[in-house]
Amino acid sequence: AQTVTQSQPEMSVQEAETVTLSCTYDTSESNYYLFWYKQPPSRQMILVIRQEAYKQQNATENRFSVNFQKAAKSFSLKISDSQLGDTAMYFCAFMTAGGATNKLIFGTGTLLAVQP
Amino acid sequence: DAEITQSPRHKITETGRQVTLACHQTWNHNNMFWYRQDLGHGLRLIHYSYGVQDTNKGEVSDGYSVSRSNTEDLPLTLESAASSQTSVYFCASSESRWMSGGYTFGSGTRLTVV
Repeated sequence: AQTVTQSQPEMSVQEAETVTLSCTYDTSESNYYLFWYKQPPSRQMILVIRQEAYKQQNATENRFSVNFQKAAKSFSLKISDSQLGDTAMYFCAFMTAGGATNKLIFGTGTLLAVQP
Repeated sequence: DAEITQSPRHKITETGRQVTLACHQTWNHNNMFWYRQDLGHGLRLIHYSYGVQDTNKGEVSDGYSVSRSNTEDLPLTLESAASSQTSVYFCASSESRWMSGGYTFGSGTRLTVV
């Protein structure tokens, strides 16, 4: 069974600085997708970034980028130029590709606080 | 605009009562999912459906049931509410089981069982 581990329950960063959130996963599948979701205090789940395992290039979305290390089964999220609006719970998630299941498996989350 | 709506946003119920949480989506998505969110556990899958009349159990399905009579709705029923079911419940949908664009989430229902 696949598992997703986020080892940092809470993190804090100063506004305008860079922070990296860690995520590791365990799977025997060779093709899969990885996601980072953001949950602000409003409770809404927002997709931040998505990575396809067969792509070696790391995904980037504006200030958000990932460091995908397939062999190490690591998928960290880097937030550059942190803003107060980045304060949220961040979830790493995994989905098997091609297996017709489309189920997301989530980590336990990292609560990020951006300090002014 | 298409959306996914959960109701109610908050609910308090008593132990032993039957409770139904509503989820309605206008995306015309085939796949629908129910998760519960608890501190220290992240989001865990309760039940899911790949289409009308299809339902499947997730990892924490005990005490919950769903039915899918149309594309738009997947109500979640707690047969006999227990304090351990106090949680935030999220409904989500996606277009196809073979697609990987991620889910569209509802805004959640906070359920308190007293």
